[in-house]
Amino acid sequence: SQTIHQWPATLVQPVGSPLSLECTVEGTSNPNLYWYRQAAGRGLQLLFYSVGIGQISSEVPQNLSASRPQDRQFILSSKKLLLSDSGFYLCAWSPRGSNQPQHFGDGTRLSIL
Amino acid sequence: GESVGLHLPTLSVQEGDNSIINCAYSNSASDYFIWYKQESGKGPQFIIDIRSNMNKRQGQRVTVLLNKTVKHLSLQIAATQPGDSAVYFCAENMRATGKLIFGQGTTLQVKP
Repeated sequence: SQTIHQWPATLVQPVGSPLSLECTVEGTSNPNLYWYRQAAGRGLQLLFYSVGIGQISSEVPQNLSASRPQDRQFILSSKKLLLSDSGFYLCAWSPRGSNQPQHFGDGTRLSIL
Repeated sequence: GESVGLHLPTLSVQEGDNSIINCAYSNSASDYFIWYKQESGKGPQFIIDIRSNMNKRQGQRVTVLLNKTVKHLSLQIAATQPGDSAVYFCAENMRATGKLIFGQGTTLQVKP
C-alpha cells in the first residue's frame, strides 16, 4: 500500500532562518505531488504541485520554493523565513490521471518567532 | 470567482444520530468531488468521492449526494460516533486545471 511521510512534525524557527521540509511517498511511481498551507481554522491553500522530477508549478507568489529531486521526494524550502510563513504545511500525492483523490501526510506545524 | 463553501461552520449532533454536512460549489465545470475528514493535528483523510455523472455514492456509514442542478454536495454520516468528531472538508476538481479547490470546513461535534 502507498504511504506518505512528512517531517518534522513540528518546527520552531527564528525569522530570517532557512527552511527545508521533506515529503516522501512510498508504494507508487510517478505520483503527482502537492504542497499546501493551512492557516488555523481555515481551508487548504495550494502552494506548489509537481507532475514529475524537476517539474514544479507555483500557485501563489510567496517566500517559499519547492523542488522534486527524485520521483517520490518533494521538498519545500525558504532562504529566509518571515513571520507570515507560520502555519500548517501539508504534503499530498495523487495517482496520475484525471479524477483521482489526493492523499495527505500528517503535516508540519511551523512556528516562526 | 469559483469557490467551494460550507453552509455551517459547526454542526453538533447527538451520538447515534445521523449527520448531514452540506457544501455548495460554484464552478459548473467541476467534474469530481471529494470529502475529507481532518482530526486535530493531522492531515486530511480521504472519506469518499463522487464523479459528476453520479448523484449518489455510498460507503461504510457514509453517503455522498450530488445535486448538479443547484451545485450542492452533501455528506451523510449514519449513526454518528464520537470518533467522527473532526473538521470535514469538501473539495472540487476543476476539469480544466485538474486541481482541487477546498472549502473552509465544517466542524462536527458529537455529544455523548
